[in-house]
Amino acid sequence: AQKITQTQPGMFVQEKEAVTLDCTYDTSDQSYGLFWYKQPSSGEMIFLIYQGSYDEQNATEGRYSLNFQKARKSANLVISASQLGDSAMYFCAMREGFYNQGGKLIFGQGTELSVKP
Amino acid sequence: NAGVTQTPKFQVLKTGQSMTLQCAQDMNHNSMYWYRQDPGMGLRLIYYSASEGTTDKGEVPNGYNVSRLNKREFSLRLESAAPSQTSVYFCASSAPGGTSGNYRGSTDTQYFGPGTRLTVL
Repeated sequence: AQKITQTQPGMFVQEKEAVTLDCTYDTSDQSYGLFWYKQPSSGEMIFLIYQGSYDEQNATEGRYSLNFQKARKSANLVISASQLGDSAMYFCAMREGFYNQGGKLIFGQGTELSVKP
Repeated sequence: NAGVTQTPKFQVLKTGQSMTLQCAQDMNHNSMYWYRQDPGMGLRLIYYSASEGTTDKGEVPNGYNVSRLNKREFSLRLESAAPSQTSVYFCASSAPGGTSGNYRGSTDTQYFGPGTRLTVL
């Protein structure tokens, strides 16, 4: 069965430093997608970054990058130059199957990131 | 574009009461989803609709029903609410095979509504 594991319930980072949030996944599919979402205290789910299983390069989106290590089944989120507004809960999620199949997401339990001034 | 909208934002029910959560999207997406989020946990899929006219169960469908009214709207119904259904409910939509609007993101990214906070007493 597919599974997402986020082993860091909470993390602290100093403002302007980089931080890595860990995510490992388990699937037997060859086609899958990995997503990261941010959930601030206001509660909405904000899409950050996506990595497809066949994408050869690590995804980047502004200050966010995804360190994708397929053999290790890990998809860690790297936030560079942390800002106070980055304080939030971060969720890793996976979709099995190819992207044109309307895939369901399986979420990890989240990592709460706190950025210190 | 409003994206994904949900009504109501908050609701308190008594055990046994029924209600319908409404969701609409204006991104011309084919697929729509209902998730629930319990305290300290990630989201879990309740039901989804891959395309207009189809619905399928997710991980936690018991106690819920859904209706895909048209391409834009996907409702979630609690027929007889129970305290275990106290949760935050999120609706999401995606466009498998590529976006058909002007939203960033590629492939089948799911975009979420603001959520409905439901308490069942």
